[in-house]
Amino acid sequence: GAVVSQHPSWVICKSGTSVKIECRSLDFQATTMFWYRQFPKQSLMLMATSNEGSKATYEQGVEKDKFLINHASLTLSTLTVTSAHPEDSSFYICSANEGNIQYFGAGTRLSVL
Amino acid sequence: QKEVEQNSGPLSVPEGAIASLNCTYSDRGSQSFFWYRQYSGKSPELIMFIYSNGDKEDGRFTAQLNKASQYVSLLIRDSQPSDSATYLCAATTGGFKTIFGAGTRLFVKA
Repeated sequence: GAVVSQHPSWVICKSGTSVKIECRSLDFQATTMFWYRQFPKQSLMLMATSNEGSKATYEQGVEKDKFLINHASLTLSTLTVTSAHPEDSSFYICSANEGNIQYFGAGTRLSVL
Repeated sequence: QKEVEQNSGPLSVPEGAIASLNCTYSDRGSQSFFWYRQYSGKSPELIMFIYSNGDKEDGRFTAQLNKASQYVSLLIRDSQPSDSATYLCAATTGGFKTIFGAGTRLFVKA
């Protein structure tokens, strides 16, 4: 299947700093990528849909000014968590569609101290 | 609200048994259906997809789709302890929006 690379896999940061997470489609082009968040023992929660060359579409309740998404090319989307706080600590996962099959990156575990 | 419903479990089966995971979906326009496996602390990985009514087999896994009943299932034969994970059912409409169920936790006892 298609490969989606996500980096970094784990990040620890101080409260108030910003963290950037990258998501790349390695062997296919993805006009649409998705960003999810998952808290321990809970289900995936879609945060936003990242659209190449245009603004991301955010799900209800997700602050677009806090979670900045940039999809500048057909193979790269980035999620920046701005002014991170401990409550932002979570597992962030990106995905991309090849055809109508969604493939996931390995995820980024964010810990905000 | 388009939904995909799964029993959260845990579903516990002995090693070697058949594990049966079930899923229902609300949007009759859904066209593609997927099963993902997620180990604790890891991201989901695709196990199978199914588009047509009936059964689709891949090794120890069989996906079953019944569009009239809006029902999707996954059977795991000869269950192994390594199959212990959360299984996510997903449905996609004609566009690229995929709706995920909350997942069913499977525990295979050695």
